[in-house]
Amino acid sequence: DAGITQSPRHKVTETGTPVTLRCHQTENHRYMYWYRQDPGHGLRLIHYSYGVKDTDKGEVSDGYSVSRSKTEDFLLTLESATSSQTSVYFCATAGLDGYEQYFGPGTRLTVT
Amino acid sequence: KQEVTQIPAALSVPEGENLVLNCSFTDSAIYNLQWFRQDPGKGLTSLLLIQSSQREQTSGRLNASLDKSSGRSTLYIAASQPGDSATYLCAVSHGSRLTFGEGTQLTVNP
Repeated sequence: DAGITQSPRHKVTETGTPVTLRCHQTENHRYMYWYRQDPGHGLRLIHYSYGVKDTDKGEVSDGYSVSRSKTEDFLLTLESATSSQTSVYFCATAGLDGYEQYFGPGTRLTVT
Repeated sequence: KQEVTQIPAALSVPEGENLVLNCSFTDSAIYNLQWFRQDPGKGLTSLLLIQSSQREQTSGRLNASLDKSSGRSTLYIAASQPGDSATYLCAVSHGSRLTFGEGTQLTVNP
């Protein structure tokens, strides 16, 4: 358990509104990740970070942006939410010990 | 592009049975392989991590093997229990990034 919390845990929002999800970790892990999980697609990487202010795109990054101003926090922003972004979002972290990844509890986002 | 396949997609067994879950991947140049468990509505729990230089890892009733050359891994669960019911996910890494399979949904019946 890497001490990962996500907020909010549940959110319902309307199409076109901005949404920010927060991931907080207490293990001082260097790497942080945002995934989405959808039936029929499994877990897909949205963005990841390999250090403060260092981020890169994953396979489904369109419509999402991220920021990491502190080691412990990684924010995921949907600039203008769409119904296709309804999903469960997971944050994960990894240290340098073989890159084992640890996951947070998830955020269920519904865009109406 | 790496692709990860898990077979079967679902499995139902009686309590006490030994079972094997399969994972295959298309690109053998992996850094490590990780098995996870996911309970309904929950996050993923890491079960075992196998580095590319290793052949297997064990934790309690779980044993995972890795054959990089054939692009395969198996997760062996001994003496299954109803509490083992969950979805089991396999993921392979190239450095710090993981590619996931879609999982095997396991039900262990009392």
